[in-house]
Amino acid sequence: DVKVTQSSRYLVKRTGEKVFLECVQDMDHENMFWYRQDPGLGLRLIYFSYDVKMKEKGDIPEGYSVSREKKERFSLILESASTNQTSMYLCASSLGGAGNTIYFGEGSWLTVV
Amino acid sequence: EDQVTQSPEALRLQEGESSSLNCSYTVSGLRGLFWYRQDPGKGPEFLFTLYSAGEEKEKERLKATLTKKESFLHITAPKPEDSATYLCALRGYQTGANNLFFGTGTRLTVIP
Repeated sequence: DVKVTQSSRYLVKRTGEKVFLECVQDMDHENMFWYRQDPGLGLRLIYFSYDVKMKEKGDIPEGYSVSREKKERFSLILESASTNQTSMYLCASSLGGAGNTIYFGEGSWLTVV
Repeated sequence: EDQVTQSPEALRLQEGESSSLNCSYTVSGLRGLFWYRQDPGKGPEFLFTLYSAGEEKEKERLKATLTKKESFLHITAPKPEDSATYLCALRGYQTGANNLFFGTGTRLTVIP
């Protein structure tokens, strides 16, 4: 069974704090993704990684960075959290190559106050 | 530019009342049309992938079909446990090999 695990389901952080969201997959997938989901806007890609230490910006990378030191682990970093980053964050993974299915984790609800 | 539009936004059905959800799309070159189910507060769960017009996939009470402009998710004799938001997403040559472009979903409620 496909398993994408996000370490924190619910977080509350203060404006200006540095926030780490961690994600681990156990399927030996090459690709990993971070999306955010907001009502009425759907899922939007923040960053994705196609290999260890490799990353590409998605549609909304501003205010975020990522780290992929090991194949199974992909971290999303908010350097200085702001209230407009309050959202549901979804990690996902897939095999490399076009057409492969993307599998999602359970999501992390982040509230920035 | 790749586009995905889902309709209706919300749908209420009586248990056993069959219906269809629509996903209209425009894409420069389709690499895959995906359907996901999402329960409140959880991540999307993969249902189907369709690659070419005329293709159909089935799973229990769900059947997905694809034309050159639309995909339908048909729900036959739904049960309350089918209540969820159903998301359509596509991957096209403009979207890139590794990303999905999502619609905003149809929220389905099945009433006992």
